[in-house]
Amino acid sequence: EPEVTQTPSHQVTQMGQEVILRCVPISNHLYFYWYRQILGQKVEFLVSFYNNEISEKSEIFDDQFSVERPDGSNFTLKIRSTKLEDSAMYFCASLTSGSSSYEQYFGPGTRLTVT
Amino acid sequence: LAKTTQPISMDSYEGQEVNITCSHNNIATNDYITWYQQFPSQGPRFIIQGYKTKVTNEVASLFIPADRKSSTLSLPRVSLSDTAVYYCLVGEGDTDKLIFGTGTRLQVFP
Repeated sequence: EPEVTQTPSHQVTQMGQEVILRCVPISNHLYFYWYRQILGQKVEFLVSFYNNEISEKSEIFDDQFSVERPDGSNFTLKIRSTKLEDSAMYFCASLTSGSSSYEQYFGPGTRLTVT
Repeated sequence: LAKTTQPISMDSYEGQEVNITCSHNNIATNDYITWYQQFPSQGPRFIIQGYKTKVTNEVASLFIPADRKSSTLSLPRVSLSDTAVYYCLVGEGDTDKLIFGTGTRLQVFP
């Protein structure tokens, strides 16, 4: 079964540093997402991406965040200057079609720890 | 997205059928009902999606009454590996983002 992969599995960084979280979505999927989950809390939507542009973003996704699909396979989330409160699990997800289907495939996540 | 309400936790024993009910009183005409499962430190996993009546797949069944103000996820003969958090989500056709609530933490005992 095809799956979404994410690297690294765990990233430790110092406050103020830039981090890039990487995802390889399922190859024939067209819609891509980032979510995060702070320890013990709900899964929160960050951003959706389609046709090489952001289609929707949440209030969390401020100017410190950016997404990119640089080469047609990878989908990245960049945090320019990390804060302590950015510590969370970050999940990438992909979807084959946006029409009346909510069957998003999630990756295993990257645990980001900001110290 | 329509708000959902589901029990915080449920306990069951191996081999039993588990039914988790979700309320979504404000569901709109074009909303679909979707259930996800999440194990600790893993990404959510799609279980089932429906619009009305009953949907069944190899993992679960989803029962939706005519008024669609609630839905019930039914897991037949649960095992220890079904211990997880189960999320009920209601989504509109014009947005594909998923809005997760706190879910129902199902604990299956031997």
